Amino acid sequence: DAKTTQPNSMESNEEEPVHLPCNHSTISGTDYIHWYRQLPSQGPEYVIHGLTSNVNNRMASLAIAEDRKSSTLILHRATLRDAAVYYCILRDGLTGGGNKLTFGTGTQLKVEL
Amino acid sequence: ETGVTQSPTHLIKTRGQQVTLRCSSQSGHNTVSWYQQALGQGPQFIFQYYREEENGRGNFPPRFSGLQFPNYSSELNVNALELDDSALYLCASSLGGASGGRNNEQFFGPGTRLTVL
Repeated sequence: DAKTTQPNSMESNEEEPVHLPCNHSTISGTDYIHWYRQLPSQGPEYVIHGLTSNVNNRMASLAIAEDRKSSTLILHRATLRDAAVYYCILRDGLTGGGNKLTFGTGTQLKVEL
Repeated sequence: ETGVTQSPTHLIKTRGQQVTLRCSSQSGHNTVSWYQQALGQGPQFIFQYYREEENGRGNFPPRFSGLQFPNYSSELNVNALELDDSALYLCASSLGGASGGRNNEQFFGPGTRLTVL
């Protein structure tokens, strides 16, 4: 599995945008970039995914570098409820990699008033 | 539509015992995966089940086994418990088939916290 690298932790103030980076220099051409987050005392939940183009949904935006070796998850206005561990995961687009998600240690996002 | 549920929420066992954890998939989902999450770590893939058969396994010994039932509910069984088996056990359901679908979203339950003494 291609590896991702994320900062261990980040801090943000409420109502401000948050940019969570992820490096994946060994990404293959068929790998999709997925983001999940895990709120305290809960299982992970899907946030967003993309291949080459930037993606938007109701939760967040995903900005993908032109060479695809890095990506950034953008929360446009952080709230206290966004405090969680955010995981950047690569999935093989040809097969989906089965259902296996390879989690790293993720980025712990702290949101302050 | 009900989400993924797991039981029990917490469990304490002693070394050498056996444990069974249960998962009820989200309605309509035919694939279930199990993960182990040690404290401070990301979840680690144990295995997945599709149509009642194991279909993909992570780096876990055979004493970790599972079942998937016709109604797509699932069990994780762990024999000969070791202290290092203490962790949060998560199940995730999805709709996608043996290969998992190209980018199917996975829905996780809240997990079962297992403590081995």
